[in-house]
Amino acid sequence: NAGVTQTPKFQVLKTGQSMTLQCAQDMNHNSMYWYRQDPGMGLRLIYYSASEGTTDKGEVPNGYNVSRLNKREFSLRLESAAPSQTSVYFCASRGGPTYSNQPQHFGDGTRLSIL
Amino acid sequence: QKEVEQDPGPLSVPEGAIVSLNCTYSNSAFQYFMWYRQYSRKGPELLMYTYSSGNKEDGRFTAQVDKSSKYISLFIRDSQPSDSATYLCAMSGTLRAGGTSYGKLTFGQGTILTVHP
Repeated sequence: NAGVTQTPKFQVLKTGQSMTLQCAQDMNHNSMYWYRQDPGMGLRLIYYSASEGTTDKGEVPNGYNVSRLNKREFSLRLESAAPSQTSVYFCASRGGPTYSNQPQHFGDGTRLSIL
Repeated sequence: QKEVEQDPGPLSVPEGAIVSLNCTYSNSAFQYFMWYRQYSRKGPELLMYTYSSGNKEDGRFTAQVDKSSKYISLFIRDSQPSDSATYLCAMSGTLRAGGTSYGKLTFGQGTILTVHP
């Protein structure tokens, strides 16, 4: 019963390096989301994919790109990492029809440090 | 002003105490309300999900929604050390066809709770 799986769990990068964070869900959910969590800021939405084949910007998209590879997988890419992107990144998915209000289910996060 | 305000705590209580966690919000479009629990180095885990004003109970947890006052609460009865975690409130609005924010959640900052034996 894996739910939402994120890889890697930890990563240290140097400024300017690129990296892709992977997320996969096995619940046959239509919608997937990427958040970052910073102290005192709560969870902020970076990008989301309402359904396979679509992606949209969230609250803090600058410096990131996403790919909805298929219904299961949604990746987040940092093209040129900056120290301000040091954070914990969470992927989430949501079931039901696109227009439903089912709650989101989260993975256990990727802890990313940029030096 | 943030759309969702949550007392950050930290909150420290003795085992067996009743805990009250609260959030206020300003956007009247929010119709769906959630409480998530987050243990250290883990992802948020859904605890409660409510829609209408009033109370919803699940074991030791009660979620309360007052839409007229734009205020939601989570009560934990007979608190246990295993309840020590960060509690996040979250809410979303009514989804409309053609909208671009399907299922978008707005979170509070989280309240750190410690229950000591």
